[in-house]
Amino acid sequence: DTGVSQNPRHKITKRGQNVTFRCDPISEHNRLYWYRQTLGQGPEFLTYFQNEAQLEKSRLLSDRFSAERPKGSFSTLEIQRTEQGDSAMYLCASSSGPGNQPQHFGDGTRLSIL
Amino acid sequence: GQNIDQPTEMTATEGAIVQINCTYQTSGFNGLFWYQQHAGEAPTFLSYNVLDGLEEKGRFSSFLSRSKGYSYLLLKELQMKDSASYLCAPSYGNNRLAFGKGNQVGVIP
Repeated sequence: DTGVSQNPRHKITKRGQNVTFRCDPISEHNRLYWYRQTLGQGPEFLTYFQNEAQLEKSRLLSDRFSAERPKGSFSTLEIQRTEQGDSAMYLCASSSGPGNQPQHFGDGTRLSIL
Repeated sequence: GQNIDQPTEMTATEGAIVQINCTYQTSGFNGLFWYQQHAGEAPTFLSYNVLDGLEEKGRFSSFLSRSKGYSYLLLKELQMKDSASYLCAPSYGNNRLAFGKGNQVGVIP
């Protein structure tokens, strides 16, 4: 079990630039989740995939955000025209299904907008 | 939102017992997870409750009352390595977790 892997670990970029993060879930997990966490807060749900289908999106996910999981394995989260408020830790989690199985989190990608 | 309510900070000595409470909205509720998060690290799974009652896993126990929208996490025989944030995460819909802010527990010798 290699765990959930996220890349890059850190990303520093200027406001207005586009960024893309990658998540490789635990291989046998069919469910994949993206969360965002800011300092002193708990993670906030962004979106959920079951296999390659994106089944749920938070209202936090503005039209500048897009997520994909093209083959039902790894996922990407892209933020276009980044803003200061996008600075956060972006966490990916995966779980098996069906039912409420524990979600296992990656170490996250920390995004800093200059 | 799901109005997750957790106290924010507490300090206890090694060997002590601490209880961390959590209340949540019951509408659409599936079950409740507790996670531990050390500073700068990812959350790690501690426990899951779906039925009313107490679940015990070693030094950690978690309780759920579905009718009251209430859960607690009990940490026994505290160790220094238990210094961390403890996150209450009720599950809704497609196992979407609605995390509280977390309770920061500091353990002192």
